[in-house]
Amino acid sequence: EPEVTQTPSHQVTQMGQEVILRCVPISNHLYFYWYRQILGQKVEFLVSFYNNEISEKSEIFDDQFSVERPDGSNFTLKIRSTKLEDSAMYFCASKAGPYNEQFFGPGTRLTVL
Amino acid sequence: TQLLEQSPQFLSIQEGENLTVYCNSSSVFSSLQWYRQEPGEGPVLLVTVVTGGEVKKLKRLTFQFGDARKDSSLHITAAQPGDTGLYLCAGAALSINSNSGYALNFGKGTSLLVTP
Repeated sequence: EPEVTQTPSHQVTQMGQEVILRCVPISNHLYFYWYRQILGQKVEFLVSFYNNEISEKSEIFDDQFSVERPDGSNFTLKIRSTKLEDSAMYFCASKAGPYNEQFFGPGTRLTVL
Repeated sequence: TQLLEQSPQFLSIQEGENLTVYCNSSSVFSSLQWYRQEPGEGPVLLVTVVTGGEVKKLKRLTFQFGDARKDSSLHITAAQPGDTGLYLCAGAALSINSNSGYALNFGKGTSLLVTP
């Protein structure tokens, strides 16, 4: 069964460093998403991406964040200068069909020291 | 941001009992999804409800979408220890933009523990 995959599963970085989180969405999906979940808190929307551009973004998704679909299969989230409060699980998701069924990847645990 | 309130926050029951968890909002959603999440893993989709009043069954799980598309419930019959987990509801807001990404708003979840 097709699934969303994410790498790495765990990323540890120093404050101020750049990180790139990678995702391979389900191959025939058209909408792509990043969400994050701080430990013990709810899943929060960051950004959606459709037709090679951002379609929606939340207040969390500031200038330090960017997304890219560089090669038609990968979907990446870049954080330019990480902060301690960026420590969270980051989930990629892709949209399956017209009724907004989003399928989530297993997540990348980002730890900023 | 459309807020989704889930209740109860925690539920601990014995194997074989029935339970219902709720997801409520003051906002109308175009669709609502229920997910289950294990610690350290991504949410796994259980069901999507779209039509007001819709009822969907997934084995021992019954999902209902409110007539006004503002609330939903999940009922589990004869709970088993394998049902233990965090149950999340997530709603997609109505949008007039056909290219909208329909970002999901999540509730905080109901943490269910089923003991043998």
